[in-house]
Amino acid sequence: DAEITQSPRHKITETGRQVTLACHQTWNHNNMFWYRQDLGHGLRLIHYSYGVQDTNKGEVSDGYSVSRSNTEDLPLTLESAASSQTSVYFCASSEFLAGSATDTQYFGPGTRLTVL
Amino acid sequence: GQNIDQPTEMTATEGAIVQINCTYQTSGFNGLFWYQQHAGEAPTFLSYNVLDGLEEKGRFSSFLSRSKGYSYLLLKELQMKDSASYLCAVRSPNDYKLSFGAGTTVTVRA
Repeated sequence: DAEITQSPRHKITETGRQVTLACHQTWNHNNMFWYRQDLGHGLRLIHYSYGVQDTNKGEVSDGYSVSRSNTEDLPLTLESAASSQTSVYFCASSEFLAGSATDTQYFGPGTRLTVL
Repeated sequence: GQNIDQPTEMTATEGAIVQINCTYQTSGFNGLFWYQQHAGEAPTFLSYNVLDGLEEKGRFSSFLSRSKGYSYLLLKELQMKDSASYLCAVRSPNDYKLSFGAGTTVTVRA
C-alpha cells in the first residue's frame, strides 16, 4: 500500500545544530508540504513543493529550508536549530486523482523535535 | 490573509450529538476540509465541502455556507473513539495550500 513516512519520529538536538527531517511518500504525488504544530496554533505551513525542483515558502519559513530532487522525498532542514523550533512536524502530500473532486492531503506520522 | 476560528474545546456524552462550528475570513476560497486528529497521531481526512449544503458520511456530516463564511461538522451517535481534535481547513484558490484553524478538542464521556 502507498504511504507517507517520516524519520526520525523523535529527535533531541542542541541549539545551533543543523537538523534534517526526512519525508518519503510512495503515492507518487506531485504536491508535498511541511507543517509544524504547536499548542494553540494548529498546523502552520513551513514550505511546500508542487514538483521536482519546485519549492515555495509558507507562512513560517524563517530558519527552515527544503529541497525536492525527486518525486518521493521532501527533506526539511533546520539550518541552525533554535528553542523556538521545538515542535511536532508533519509532512503531507496530495494530488488530484481521477474521479476525485479535490486533492486531499495525506499526512505522515509526525516528528517530535526538541531543541535544548 | 486567512482567519479561521473554531471553539477550543467541547465535551459531550456517549451517544449524543455534537456540532463543531468553523468560521472563516479568507482572501479567496476553494473548498473547506475537516480533519480528525487523535492525540499523538497524524490528522486524517474526514470531509470536503466546496458548494453550499450538507455532505453526509455515516455518523459524520459537514455543512457549508459560503456567503456566511461558515461551516460545521456534526458528529452523531458519539462513541468514545470520537474523542479527538477536529481541524477545519480552507483551501486557497488557484493552488493546493490549506490554512488550518487551531482545532477543536472533543471529549466524549461515558
